Amino acid sequence: GNSVTQMEGPVTLSEEAFLTINCTYTATGYPSLFWYVQYPGEGLQLLLKATKADDKGSNKGFEATYRKETTSFHLEKGSVQVSDSAVYFCALRGNYGGSQGNLIFGKGTKLSVKP
Amino acid sequence: DAGVTQSPTHLIKTRGQQVTLRCSPKSGHDTVSWYQQALGQGPQFIFQYYEEEERQRGNFPDRFSGHQFPNYSSELNVNALLLGDSALYLCASSFVAVQETQYFGPGTRLLVL
Repeated sequence: GNSVTQMEGPVTLSEEAFLTINCTYTATGYPSLFWYVQYPGEGLQLLLKATKADDKGSNKGFEATYRKETTSFHLEKGSVQVSDSAVYFCALRGNYGGSQGNLIFGKGTKLSVKP
Repeated sequence: DAGVTQSPTHLIKTRGQQVTLRCSPKSGHDTVSWYQQALGQGPQFIFQYYEEEERQRGNFPDRFSGHQFPNYSSELNVNALLLGDSALYLCASSFVAVQETQYFGPGTRLLVL
């Protein structure tokens, strides 16, 4: 079945450091891929998405490229800020058969950025 | 443009009780999905409603049931509550016709004692 695996945290970085959070997936067909962010005590916010191979999603300085050959969708940011501290979730939505409706999430990666 | 809203924000129940959580979708959306997020975990899909019918269901027991109203709002009902039902319950809405991205509400935090 479909699944998402993302790097375990927590990840602690200094302000202005480079961020990479790895995400790989297993899916039938051609899923859509997403990164969501969850700030303390809040629900999920969509950060970026990509719906086909080689698409690059980007938002607020974050980027991720849909790599079908490596089944990956790694999240990157060139210079993190303290305000980026949150939990980041990689997710996929299947586009095949009965899996079209729901999102499948990774376990989340907690990011802490120190001043 | 109002986003997804959920009520109540917090809830405390005891084992064996029943609970109803409510969700209003983002304006223009016709599909509502419910997720359970246990502490420190990613959200797990419970079910999805479209045209007032359950169209897809995750691996959750029949104690979890739902409803969608003609105005697209939705309820999640959980019967015979267990301690393990303590979690953040998230509602997400989308527009099924174009398989658009799901947008999440702030969630209802349920504590079962």
